[in-house]
Amino acid sequence: GAGVSQSPSNKVTEKGKDVELRCDPISGHTALYWYRQRLGQGLEFLIYFQGNSAPDKSGLPSDRFSAERTGESVSTLTIQRTQQEDSAVYLCASSVPKASRGHRLNTEAFFGQGTRLTVV
Amino acid sequence: GEDVEQSLFLSVREGDSSVINCTYTDSSSTYLYWYKQEPGAGLQLLTYIFSNMDMKQDQRLTVLLNKKDKHLSLRIADTQTGDSAIYFCAESNFQTGRRALTFGSGTRLQVQP
Repeated sequence: GAGVSQSPSNKVTEKGKDVELRCDPISGHTALYWYRQRLGQGLEFLIYFQGNSAPDKSGLPSDRFSAERTGESVSTLTIQRTQQEDSAVYLCASSVPKASRGHRLNTEAFFGQGTRLTVV
Repeated sequence: GEDVEQSLFLSVREGDSSVINCTYTDSSSTYLYWYKQEPGAGLQLLTYIFSNMDMKQDQRLTVLLNKKDKHLSLRIADTQTGDSAIYFCAESNFQTGRRALTFGSGTRLQVQP
């Protein structure tokens, strides 16, 4: 597709259940990010994938959260034993790093429309 | 850690200019960005500025960067009702190896007809 695609768009789950969120980045984009946006708040970084490098997991809030990425394509974010405070919109973004002065830079990140997760 | 702060709300009349302000703490930020989020939609990149610039203009949008004060602003000229949205300031710093963007909490712009 032309943009970043996320599924499902909405998910309601019972507390304690596991959920899996999917992100299809733009084809050719080697960098992929997951963010969380709680109601009325800014974006909270969760995890970053770049090509075959080890992912930056520094934003994952607990060991109930994990994410995988298959090569440079689809990513899944898994939340185990969901809690009510996990309710949020989970946003995925992808980008193409550009090189400048020896650094690989990520400039424009394209965002998906997000998955709204509600834990009841 | 890195922090980005914005005011929460701004209301303007249609046709006026809007100025949305942002402050950040990382003095070695590489890029600074403005994203727009409309209701029920994902974030859309409006514009970005490299840290060695102090101004960037793109049609109705003007970005001003004051590196000394770590202050970024977005000016929207001739604001329209379609500009009503939440505007997020974000920064990144690739020199330290931090790859992800750090976002502010967003400024809700309300345009009165």
